Amino acid sequence: DVKVTQSSRYLVKRTGEKVFLECVQDMDHENMFWYRQDPGLGLRLIYFSYDVKMKEKGDIPEGYSVSREKKERFSLILESASTNQTSMYLCASSTGTTSYEQYFGPGTRLTVT
Amino acid sequence: GEDVEQSLFLSVREGDSSVINCTYTDSSSTYLYWYKQEPGAGLQLLTYIFSNMDMKQDQRLTVLLNKKDKHLSLRIADTQTGDSAIYFCAESGGGFKTIFGAGTRLFVKA
Repeated sequence: DVKVTQSSRYLVKRTGEKVFLECVQDMDHENMFWYRQDPGLGLRLIYFSYDVKMKEKGDIPEGYSVSREKKERFSLILESASTNQTSMYLCASSTGTTSYEQYFGPGTRLTVT
Repeated sequence: GEDVEQSLFLSVREGDSSVINCTYTDSSSTYLYWYKQEPGAGLQLLTYIFSNMDMKQDQRLTVLLNKKDKHLSLRIADTQTGDSAIYFCAESGGGFKTIFGAGTRLFVKA
């Protein structure tokens, strides 16, 4: 059974803290994605990676960075958390040169106070 | 840029059919998807259709595509309370990016 796991289901951080969200997939997928999900806005792509050490900006990369040192792991970093980054963060992975089917993790609900 | 629009809420009675509609703007879309998100979970691919198809049926699910109007619909026959979830319409042009709609929250009344 394919699996994408995220390090935390719920996280509460203070403004200005550095926050790490981890995502691991066990399917040997080349592509990994970070989205944020906000009510009424759907999923918005933050960053994606199509290979180890490769990354591309998505639609809303400001305030975020990513790291992909190993194929199975894709980290999202909030350098200095702000209250407007309170959201649900979803990680996904896919294989091949198309985003044909993305497999999603359960999400991390981040609250920044 | 590309956009996918769908209504935010739909309420149906158990046993009725549900129809969730979606419109998209990218004329080069290759794949069109329906994902389902149950409470507390990530998204799961429900079904998909290639842009050269008009219809796809999979058990209780029927996907209709009107490519001329860029309109996609998902029909769920005999809707059950377990179908209560958020349904996301999405499209991709075959590249890395998938564009998601805002999601339609389906309420099924017993």
